[in-house]
Amino acid sequence: EAQVTQNPRYLITVTGKKLTVTCSQNMNHEYMSWYRQDPGLGLRQIYYSMNVEVTDKGDVPEGYKVSRKEKRNFPLILESPSPNQTSLYFCASSLDGGDEQFFGPGTRLTVL
Amino acid sequence: GENVEQHPSTLSVQEGDSAVIKCTYSDSASNYFPWYKQELGKRPQLIIDIRSNVGEKKDQRIAVTLNKTAKHFSLHITETQPEDSAVYFCAASWGGGADGLTFGKGTHLIIQP
Repeated sequence: EAQVTQNPRYLITVTGKKLTVTCSQNMNHEYMSWYRQDPGLGLRQIYYSMNVEVTDKGDVPEGYKVSRKEKRNFPLILESPSPNQTSLYFCASSLDGGDEQFFGPGTRLTVL
Repeated sequence: GENVEQHPSTLSVQEGDSAVIKCTYSDSASNYFPWYKQELGKRPQLIIDIRSNVGEKKDQRIAVTLNKTAKHFSLHITETQPEDSAVYFCAASWGGGADGLTFGKGTHLIIQP
């Protein structure tokens, strides 16, 4: 089954404790992206990747890091989480940047 | 970069009536315009999309229209049903664009029984 998976689905953590949210797709998509969703603000892009070892900043990259060592995986790293990073995070993938994006199930993160 | 404005933020219609959600975009190079539906607690899912070489596309009760000159596109839902209640997002992109999709802020559609 073609899908995008994320883990964990829910996470409660404390300020400053490094965390990683994993994202994996099995559709051989070249393009992958991370979004955060906050009430009234819609979906805002954090980082994106056009291919292996190619990543770039989206609209709200501060406080986040990503890596793309393999085509299928695109983890999101928060080196020192802060309460303003409490949000719902979605990973997405597509054939290219201008095509239908398939979303993962989301990760609800709370930073205390 | 691209900027997408979406209106209204909330739309309440009677079951069976039509609903229209409108979006405008800023980058005249954009040529791909998808619409996503997000039910409560779920991920966004594509419901319909249109590319700039056509002005209208229909799929059963939903349709999208595109006016490239005015840089706006709209989602039309006819004969609304309770299961249409959700948040709808429009987006814009230029094909092959590295930036990917730029989303509007979303419209919460409420279907009143």
